[in-house]
Amino acid sequence: EDQVTQSPEALRLQEGESSSLNCSYTVSGLRGLFWYRQDPGKGPEFLFTLYSAGEEKEKERLKATLTKKESFLHITAPKPEDSATYLCAVQAYGGSQGNLIFGKGTKLSVKP
Amino acid sequence: DVKVTQSSRYLVKRTGEKVFLECVQDMDHENMFWYRQDPGLGLRLIYFSYDVKMKEKGDIPEGYSVSREKKERFSLILESASTNQTSMYLCASSLESIKNIQYFGAGTRLSVL
Repeated sequence: EDQVTQSPEALRLQEGESSSLNCSYTVSGLRGLFWYRQDPGKGPEFLFTLYSAGEEKEKERLKATLTKKESFLHITAPKPEDSATYLCAVQAYGGSQGNLIFGKGTKLSVKP
Repeated sequence: DVKVTQSSRYLVKRTGEKVFLECVQDMDHENMFWYRQDPGLGLRLIYFSYDVKMKEKGDIPEGYSVSREKKERFSLILESASTNQTSMYLCASSLESIKNIQYFGAGTRLSVL
């Protein structure tokens, strides 16, 4: 069964304290991996998509990387405005008609 | 920018009422999706549509139906609302299925009393 697990469930950082969020996945064949940011009471906002192991994408203080078993979202020198829940999703070949399978998210809090 | 608009941010309904949640996208996307999001359970797919008048069941379709009469509009219907359908409902759309980058609306917080 295709599965996505995110860790940790919650992460509290001080402003400027860099860290990483993990997304591990088990799929029959990976078509794509997606990262989203979700603010409280709002819909998820698309950040990145990665398609092959070794691929990296960057946006401001965020950098996403992909291996054959997991993806990391690295946050460099975070600011309070980076506080949000970060969701990871995978799209597999074949089963589930190409729909996204979401993890439960990591809730990030950055304190000033 | 892609815009997915959900008709209501907050709704309060009574048990047994018929409830309509509307979603409109303005980017000529082929695919549209309805999810519900609950604490501890994450995002769960209710129904999706890859074309006008076409619909497919997701992981939790029971108690819901959908309608897609026009490409830009996808409606979620709760035939007889129940308290266990109290949730955050999210609509999404994507251009294509191969690279299924989904863009989400702001969500509708539904409370069924």
